[in-house]
Amino acid sequence: DQQVKQNSPSLSVQEGRISILNCDYTNSMFDYFLWYKKYPAEGPTFLISISSIKDKNEDGRFTVFLNKSAKHLSLHIVPSQPGDSAVYFCAASPTGGFKTIFGAGTRLFVKA
Amino acid sequence: DTEVTQTPKHLVMGMTNKKSLKCEQHMGHRAMYWYKQKAKKPPELMFVYSYEKLSINESVPSRFSPECPNSSLLNLHLHALQPEDSALYLCASKAREGLEPQHFGDGTRLSIL
Repeated sequence: DQQVKQNSPSLSVQEGRISILNCDYTNSMFDYFLWYKKYPAEGPTFLISISSIKDKNEDGRFTVFLNKSAKHLSLHIVPSQPGDSAVYFCAASPTGGFKTIFGAGTRLFVKA
Repeated sequence: DTEVTQTPKHLVMGMTNKKSLKCEQHMGHRAMYWYKQKAKKPPELMFVYSYEKLSINESVPSRFSPECPNSSLLNLHLHALQPEDSALYLCASKAREGLEPQHFGDGTRLSIL
């Protein structure tokens, strides 16, 4: 049973436009959410996070929105750049502890 | 450059071999992780060490044996693996329990013949 779901395996966006990557979760115990970016032949790199007490966190071109009632979060990248082309993993952690559950990932293609 | 270093980057081994994967971090992190990732799948948690003690084992077969010799090092000993164990093995570390991101190494690509 997937507790973190990324229903879009891939997304293609024109350079300069907005990329929106979506993620849904089922476990109400999750209170910390993260986005990781992964290039081929490299490990995932932490991008941005949000705790359940917030509904928005912004870092430069990257903004994460959290809708707790819908158990949904999204990552907005504005403006998108060709270097943003990678696989993006949504992840969630429950209160306390060390576990993190990952979604299946969305491959983003940003076309020049 | 990643702050979590994994060696080797690639490993090919037979089903009867014994080998070890190594992970090292010098960020003073007190939690270290092993993940397994198959193609087009998310990383799957295998083991978590917290303060050098095994705190989570996700029902991993005994042919995988983790070891944490000190707070900077994490090993994964492999023995009698099966072809379906071929995957990317990722190591990660985290400063402490709670609302902190994990830092990942670039992984070891393991192929079982």
